[in-house]
Amino acid sequence: DVKVTQSSRYLVKRTGEKVFLECVQDMDHENMFWYRQDPGLGLRLIYFSYDVKMKEKGDIPEGYSVSREKKERFSLILESASTNQTSMYLCASSSMPGQGSRETQYFGPGTRLLVL
Amino acid sequence: AQKVTQAQTEISVVEKEDVTLDCVYETRDTTYYLFWYKQPPSGELVFLIRRNSFDEQNEISGRYSWNFQKSTSSFNFTITASQVVDSAVYFCALIAGGTSYGKLTFGQGTILTVHP
Repeated sequence: DVKVTQSSRYLVKRTGEKVFLECVQDMDHENMFWYRQDPGLGLRLIYFSYDVKMKEKGDIPEGYSVSREKKERFSLILESASTNQTSMYLCASSSMPGQGSRETQYFGPGTRLLVL
Repeated sequence: AQKVTQAQTEISVVEKEDVTLDCVYETRDTTYYLFWYKQPPSGELVFLIRRNSFDEQNEISGRYSWNFQKSTSSFNFTITASQVVDSAVYFCALIAGGTSYGKLTFGQGTILTVHP
């Protein structure tokens, strides 16, 4: 079974704090993704990575950065948390495109972040 | 650009009723993949099905069935004899062949509530 884990289910931080959200997958997937989910806006892609140390901006990268030092781990960083970053954050992983059913993205349980 | 539309924001049914969730997609690519995910109250997105653009065969898995019609660009999901445990948010999503690194485009989601 594919397993994607996220470091926290719930997190409360203060405005201006630096926040790290960690994601780990155990399927040796090349691709990893960070999304945020907000009511009425659906899921939006923040950043993704297709290889170690590689990253690409998604649709809403402002205010975020990422780190991928190891294949299995993909971190999302909020350099200076703001209240508008209160959201549900979902991590996902998948194999390389064009490899049949392995294009499927598998998601972690999500982290509900509240920034006060 | 790709787009996925789930016109039904919320659906409410009584247990044992059949329910169909609609999904309409837009893409100019001839190779693409369609997905359905379920998001129960716990928050995790659970993969349900993947379909590629060359396979229009309908699929049935227990009480779940999917109807893929390229002529109408639709990929509808039917739950037969619904149960309370089916209550969740359901997302339809698309990866187009020309999209780099398997980026998913999600619909806005349909909230399904099944009453006892």
